Amino acid sequence: KAGVTQTPRYLIKTRGQQVTLSCSPISGHRSVSWYQQTPGQGLQFLFEYFSETQRNKGNFPGRFSGRQFSNSRSEMNVSTLELGDSALYLCASSPSRGSNTGELFFGEGSRLTVL
Amino acid sequence: QKEVEQNSGPLSVPEGAIASLNCTYSDRGSQSFFWYRQYSGKSPELIMFIYSNGDKEDGRFTAQLNKASQYVSLLIRDSQPSDSATYLCAVSKGAQKLVFGQGTRLTINP
Repeated sequence: KAGVTQTPRYLIKTRGQQVTLSCSPISGHRSVSWYQQTPGQGLQFLFEYFSETQRNKGNFPGRFSGRQFSNSRSEMNVSTLELGDSALYLCASSPSRGSNTGELFFGEGSRLTVL
Repeated sequence: QKEVEQNSGPLSVPEGAIASLNCTYSDRGSQSFFWYRQYSGKSPELIMFIYSNGDKEDGRFTAQLNKASQYVSLLIRDSQPSDSATYLCAVSKGAQKLVFGQGTRLTINP
């Protein structure tokens, strides 16, 4: 079974630009979550989608948005990039057998550098 | 105060010994707790979850939960060099939203 696939793996942007990251979950997984990982703040929850609906949202500004498609694939977008947005963005999918399983399968991440 | 706190380490343990990793959380209403392992340059992977007070064993790993003390721990018996990684404690905040601690970097010395 293929794992969670994230694209692109690495990207460099400049301040003020926007970026779109893509995530394909494990086949059969309907829940997709996004996390930001930085050395200073650690792993922080961005949002979660289930059946194309945002089910939960973290404490990030509105510049961070996401969506999920009918095939469970997900994208996240960051607009008006700031230097502090440089991070590893991790997508995780879950079989979501229960409401609070916390059983996340992470992709390899998209490493964003903002110059 | 952070919602989930871990000693960042590094924690150094000789091969074959027991590694003990600790985590405290602030929300007394928390119900579900997780331990993820992250190797350098890799993504986190789930190794244990625990919902009830007491111990839960899986192979060389034992998770311990004490809700009264708001304390979760992970014991690794017969530590191997391949156990060297960062261990992340996480608390569920509903659905698939987890709050992670900063992680404890563990090094097993041969």
